[in-house]
Amino acid sequence: ETGVTQTPRHLVMGMTNKKSLKCEQHLGHNAMYWYKQSAKKPLELMFVYNFKEQTENNSVPSRFSPECPNSSHLFLHLHTLQPEDSALYLCASSRLDRYTFGSGTRLTVV
Amino acid sequence: AQTVTQSQPEMSVQEAETVTLSCTYDTSESDYYLFWYKQPPSRQMILVIRQEAYKQQNATENRFSVNFQKAAKSFSLKISDSQLGDAAMYFCAYRSGETSGSRLTFGEGTQLTVNP
Repeated sequence: ETGVTQTPRHLVMGMTNKKSLKCEQHLGHNAMYWYKQSAKKPLELMFVYNFKEQTENNSVPSRFSPECPNSSHLFLHLHTLQPEDSALYLCASSRLDRYTFGSGTRLTVV
Repeated sequence: AQTVTQSQPEMSVQEAETVTLSCTYDTSESDYYLFWYKQPPSRQMILVIRQEAYKQQNATENRFSVNFQKAAKSFSLKISDSQLGDAAMYFCAYRSGETSGSRLTFGEGTQLTVNP
């Protein structure tokens, strides 16, 4: 257990489904992040929240909708995804320059 | 924008030998942090070592050390006495010196294989 918990660990969804990824930390970190990790590509930053306010949206399509109700919880709501959205989605939290990552959700869009 | 480049997609090393992974970065900032992360098959991103740009002394953590060349914008990782458990994907990452909520920018990664 890293201190950052992501659920579910695996998710298979159809292109018309709606699902949500959850990330939770109780490390006292103030910032939370969503990254997308695809094969043979660098990790891509999707969203940044700092003290539950979104501070960065890295031109992510609107079919990905983040939610940060408080500094401990971060969600990624998914709807009408495409097969190319299949990837590992990593959540991270940080305080200053100390980062902790979750183990990710392996998403497959069929 | 900052970029991080790892030019070695794959590396291999014999157990107990030494291997060096390369990383270069591009930035116009003078204050920043650099990191090496390890990602084993469990997918968890584990911090290996970190370096503050204002420190001239190279960081070390047990068998892991870095060669930080600020002028050349180079940040290589040396793993000494390689062990089977070191096999993983290694990522170099950059962080601005801003105080809070600052992104990590990652390189493409280097897959390290350790041969017994």
